[in-house]
Amino acid sequence: AQSVTQPDIHITVSEGASLELRCNYSYGATPYLFWYVQSPGQGLQLLLKYFSGDTLVQGIKGFEAEFKRSQSSFNLRKPSVHWSDAAEYFCAVGAGGGSQGNLIFGKGTKLSVKP
Amino acid sequence: NAGVTQTPKFQVLKTGQSMTLQCAQDMNHNSMYWYRQDPGMGLRLIYYSASEGTTDKGEVPNGYNVSRLNKREFSLRLESAAPSQTSVYFCASIRALFANTEAFFGQGTRLTVV
Repeated sequence: AQSVTQPDIHITVSEGASLELRCNYSYGATPYLFWYVQSPGQGLQLLLKYFSGDTLVQGIKGFEAEFKRSQSSFNLRKPSVHWSDAAEYFCAVGAGGGSQGNLIFGKGTKLSVKP
Repeated sequence: NAGVTQTPKFQVLKTGQSMTLQCAQDMNHNSMYWYRQDPGMGLRLIYYSASEGTTDKGEVPNGYNVSRLNKREFSLRLESAAPSQTSVYFCASIRALFANTEAFFGQGTRLTVV
């Protein structure tokens, strides 16, 4: 069965600083990988996804993520954080198909932004 | 475009009561999911339905049942609510997990069991 680990529960960065949120997954085959963002009291919004091809994927709001098969990682990055990026971020892995397909989330990383 | 609609948005139950959380999507998606979100636990999969007519257990299915009523609707039932089921519940749908698409989420149902 697949699993997702987000090692950092809470990260604080200064506005304008760069950001990297870590995500490691466990899955035997090529996974489908996602990053979602959740603002307080809201549902989840997709930031970006990886299915195949170029291992560096671009998403909305200036985010990008890089799939590294050798490290089983899919880290999320942003070169300059804005105060509005404060939210909780979830990495997810989708696996299988048909009746075996499911979508598993990590525990999330809460991002705080200092002015 | 309604997307994924969950009802109700808020609910308070007494221990032992039953209720059904409703979820409907209008995107002709094949797969639907129910998650619960608790502080520090992320989203944990309760049940999912990869296609109409199939349902499978996720990580935390105990105390819940589901019905994939048709392609649009996927309901979650609590037969005898317990305080441990106090949580925020999210429904999600995806066209097909192995296709190059994303999952769309409802706005959540905040359930409190007293």
